[in-house]
Amino acid sequence: QFQLRESGPGVVKPSETLSLSCTMSGGHFRKTTYYWGWIRQSPGKGLEWIGSIYHNGVTYDNPSFKSRVTMSIDLSKNYFSLDLKSVTAADTALYFCVRHPVGADDAFDVWGQGTAVTVSA
Amino acid sequence: EIVLTQFPVTLSLSPGERATVSCRASQNINSPYFAWYQQKPGQPPRLLIYGTSTRAPGIPDRFSGSGSGTDFTLTINRLDPEDFAVYYCQQSNSSPYTFGRGTKVEIK
Repeated sequence: QFQLRESGPGVVKPSETLSLSCTMSGGHFRKTTYYWGWIRQSPGKGLEWIGSIYHNGVTYDNPSFKSRVTMSIDLSKNYFSLDLKSVTAADTALYFCVRHPVGADDAFDVWGQGTAVTVSA
Repeated sequence: EIVLTQFPVTLSLSPGERATVSCRASQNINSPYFAWYQQKPGQPPRLLIYGTSTRAPGIPDRFSGSGSGTDFTLTINRLDPEDFAVYYCQQSNSSPYTFGRGTKVEIK
């Protein structure tokens, strides 16, 4: 069964960069037919899509993050990552990595368990 | 950005009853790009319905989705005790992808 698993620092200081990674395991399918994305959840803003990356490195992200987002991917290593720059307390949230198919019926069909991030000095 | 408004915020029902959750979009959404998720405490959201009305693999047939344009509905027939959870709608019609704020289906 295909699974995603996030890893992250737990606590990040304000103004620093949050770096998260997501590893894939299991499953037999063409990974190039999916986007690989990040979603976060907080009590204040609910579920927020941060951005997604395709296997060739093409990315698209949520403008509300004001160009603070950088994503990378290496399917040969079953891995993709997110960097979020200049974090503030508003970035405190549970962060999920997700999979969603290219084209029609685009929905987030696989989710990691999430990694909690707190921004605090 | 497409804003999704869910109602009601909370639905209090008994097992065996029918739940109807609504989601209204601020702009038209094409049917292939609308989905519903279920989330239980301590778990990530789980995809229930995609393409407005197609159940995801393993989802019981008591869950159904319908709608078009700006109005979409999730119906849960004969609520099972395991169905009491929070439900979210989501659109991928245009970037940025957005979610509703959720509807909690609680035991009456």
